[in-house]
Amino acid sequence: SYELTQPPSVSVSPGQTARITCSGDALPKKYAYWYQQKSGQAPVLVIYEDSKRPSGIPERFSGSISGTMATLTISGAQVEDEADYYCYSTDSSGDHRVFGGGTKLTVL
Amino acid sequence: EVQLVESGGGLVQPGGSLRLSCAASGFTFSRYWMSWVRQAPGKGLEWVANIKQDGSETYYVDSVKGRFTISRDNAKNSLYLQMNSLRAEDTAIYYCAVEITMIPNNYFDPWGQGTLVTVSS
Repeated sequence: SYELTQPPSVSVSPGQTARITCSGDALPKKYAYWYQQKSGQAPVLVIYEDSKRPSGIPERFSGSISGTMATLTISGAQVEDEADYYCYSTDSSGDHRVFGGGTKLTVL
Repeated sequence: EVQLVESGGGLVQPGGSLRLSCAASGFTFSRYWMSWVRQAPGKGLEWVANIKQDGSETYYVDSVKGRFTISRDNAKNSLYLQMNSLRAEDTAIYYCAVEITMIPNNYFDPWGQGTLVTVSS
């Protein structure tokens, strides 16, 4: 079965740049999406189609792709960015919808 | 404003059944694929099932095939998940989400607030 691999945790100080990676064999052919989930809340889309930012998402959130690795970058992370972040994509057929295991971002 | 409001969760014994509902508003419900995604306590996200705009196609993750049935009523702007033969491992928050159809792959946006299903004796 297809898998997307994320680091379990990332920790930065306020104002620093946080980078969260997501690796998957089909990422060169399929878009990566990123969701932010704060404690007790539903997931919210923060990056779509590898690098696009939905309206209302702060400019400090950006996405990129290089080969089989997608990266979510939070430039100048804020305390309010503390959350779990999940990448999402599909396998090469597009049939299997898969989330990464999630990365807990700590900002303190 | 797009709103998705789930209901129907609760405590059920192993082997029991439950029907979840998701009431949609603020968009043309009948134009979109819809999905259910779940999250076990302290765990990650898992896509469960989806349904085409007119209900003619449905797909499921292997672990729920034959036990869960997704359906919709476009006249009522509502999505459903009938869950039978429930197991402890089905314990999770169940979210409904709009599935955006894109090439080369779909995604989910937005999501409801979720409803908790607990399977325990």
